[in-house]
Amino acid sequence: GEQVEQRPPHLSVREGDSAVIICTYTDPNSYYFFWYKQEPGAGLQLLMKVFSSTEINEGQGFTVLLNKKDKQLSLNLTAAHPGDSAVYFCAVSPTSGGNYKPTFGKGTSLVVHP
Amino acid sequence: GGIITQTPKFLIGQEGQKLTLKCQQNFNHDTMYWYRQDSGKGLRLIYYSITENDLQKGDLSEGYDASREKKSSFSLTVTSAQKNEMAVFLCASSMGDNLSGNTLYFGEGSRLIVV
Repeated sequence: GEQVEQRPPHLSVREGDSAVIICTYTDPNSYYFFWYKQEPGAGLQLLMKVFSSTEINEGQGFTVLLNKKDKQLSLNLTAAHPGDSAVYFCAVSPTSGGNYKPTFGKGTSLVVHP
Repeated sequence: GGIITQTPKFLIGQEGQKLTLKCQQNFNHDTMYWYRQDSGKGLRLIYYSITENDLQKGDLSEGYDASREKKSSFSLTVTSAQKNEMAVFLCASSMGDNLSGNTLYFGEGSRLIVV
């Protein structure tokens, strides 16, 4: 089955620095890719979703890149601020109907120091 | 928008006790999930359900039971609590279809403490 490796497990940066989190997946049929953010004491919230046909997607202060050739998904924060401190998870889902189980990475704990 | 409500937020029980966590969603989603979250191990799927009265085992179902009494609710029972089961349990729901890309919506979690 699908396996997702996420790195690094911990990341500490200064305010204004960039931060990059990378996930590598194994199933070439993977089609939906997600980044979730978990703040302390809370559940996971969807940060961004990309489909296999999209290679780049941008949100407020971050960019998601999908490299299908290398089966790699990355979350790039361009100028981190303390409010970005959280645990980030990637998740991958296949395209075939009937498989309702996304595979999650193990998470990256990001700390942004003022 | 909808919301997923997990109760209780903290559940304290004794070793060997049967303990139940509850989850309610008002998204009208078909699919619901229970995950266990341990520090450094990410999320591990315990049970999921694709419709009312359906149950599917995840990777970590041993020692747990689940029940999907109606579309909006999904409960998880720890059959005999052990101290190594102290973790955060997350409930989630999704439309379960390819059009939405199977986006999951999570509750805030229930922390299990075994004494």
